[in-house]
Amino acid sequence: EAGVTQSPTHLIKTRGQQVTLRCSPISGHTSVYWYQQALGLGLQFLLWYDEGEERNRGNFPPRFSGRQFPNYSSELNVNALELEDSALYLCASSRVTPGGGNTIYFGEGSWLTVV
Amino acid sequence: GENVEQHPSTLSVQEGDSAVIKCTYSDSASNYFPWYKQELGKGPQLIIDIRSNVGEKKDQRIAVTLNKTAKHFSLHITETQPEDSAVYFCAASMKGEYGNKLVFGAGTILRVKS
Repeated sequence: EAGVTQSPTHLIKTRGQQVTLRCSPISGHTSVYWYQQALGLGLQFLLWYDEGEERNRGNFPPRFSGRQFPNYSSELNVNALELEDSALYLCASSRVTPGGGNTIYFGEGSWLTVV
Repeated sequence: GENVEQHPSTLSVQEGDSAVIKCTYSDSASNYFPWYKQELGKGPQLIIDIRSNVGEKKDQRIAVTLNKTAKHFSLHITETQPEDSAVYFCAASMKGEYGNKLVFGAGTILRVKS
């Protein structure tokens, strides 16, 4: 069974540009999560989608947005890129079970460098 | 608020020794506690998890303990090997409006010296 897949793996953008990152969850998983991991720092929660709806959002500005498609894949969009947006962007997926406690599985991430 | 504290931030041990990483959480309703290992340049990989209905779980050299009263859980790695060197993250489920989400600790850099 394929794991969470992300694309692209690496990319370089110029400050002010826009970027779209893509994620395909594990088959059967309906929830997709996005995390930002800046160099040397922990995992900062960005967004959570389930069944096509945004369920929760971390403390990030509105220029970070995303969506989830009917096949449960997801995109993360970042507008007006700033130098501090340089980070590893991780996507994760899970099933949704009553009572919570859903195991999430991460992809390998997309490395974004803003110059 | 939602918070998971993880200690220590860095840990160096000699090969063969044990390593212990500790986490505390703020939400008494948390019921799921996974641990992830992240190697350089890779995404975090789930290594072990525990749910609130058990106090301890073991998987070969790795074990996790949970003290719900103290809102505290720990990762224990015995007989450490150089390939255990990585960043380890603990997490706790936190109840949100639409269900539970995971909140992560800040991570522990484990170095196993051979």
